[in-house]
Amino acid sequence: GQNIDQPTEMTATEGAIVQINCTYQTSGFNGLFWYQQHAGEAPTFLSYNVLDGLEEKGRFSSFLSRSKGYSYLLLKELQMKDSASYLCAVREVSRGAAGNKLTFGGGTRVLVKP
Amino acid sequence: GAVVSQHPSWVICKSGTSVKIECRSLDFQATTMFWYRQFPKQSLMLMATSNEGSKATYEQGVEKDKFLINHASLTLSTLTVTSAHPEDSSFYICSARGQGVPGETQYFGPGTRLLVL
Repeated sequence: GQNIDQPTEMTATEGAIVQINCTYQTSGFNGLFWYQQHAGEAPTFLSYNVLDGLEEKGRFSSFLSRSKGYSYLLLKELQMKDSASYLCAVREVSRGAAGNKLTFGGGTRVLVKP
Repeated sequence: GAVVSQHPSWVICKSGTSVKIECRSLDFQATTMFWYRQFPKQSLMLMATSNEGSKATYEQGVEKDKFLINHASLTLSTLTVTSAHPEDSSFYICSARGQGVPGETQYFGPGTRLLVL
């Protein structure tokens, strides 16, 4: 099983930087994903880390430390449209027909204020 | 990124009826599809995993006879909520993973909002 923790809510100002932390415990780590979800919509893929280090993609970056069971998503130059929930998801190796599957954290609601 | 469609986008039905939700991968072959349920202000909860041509694997606590899953082809999976009740009202989201998708990333459909009266 897995235990994935991330803060419930964060507030930041337009143009600022926000870092969303995610800690996890898993017996068979096989990748960590970050998704953005606007209210009433399905999640959209943001980033994927399977090796330690930083992955940068425009205004969004994601970091992973497998030894610490820790990841963060960094949002730079915040815009109003970035107000959404950010979901940390861990993929765990599993045997059988199900194969690898994602387990999601509770999500972090980010509110960007003018 | 890869495109996954879901139909219908919302449905209202009477208690006791069955509802079928379709999930299609539009530009890749989905060897595995996942069905999630999300209640308001909660995260996604995996219901079941299906591989093309084989029986679905259900998560603990999910009734396989109530939530029928069929993954008949590499681009289509269906979820049927049988004898729906008001407590089944939720946001149902499918996700697909497959060949040609970098890192085996899962891509999500737009979701189906089900309201059972």
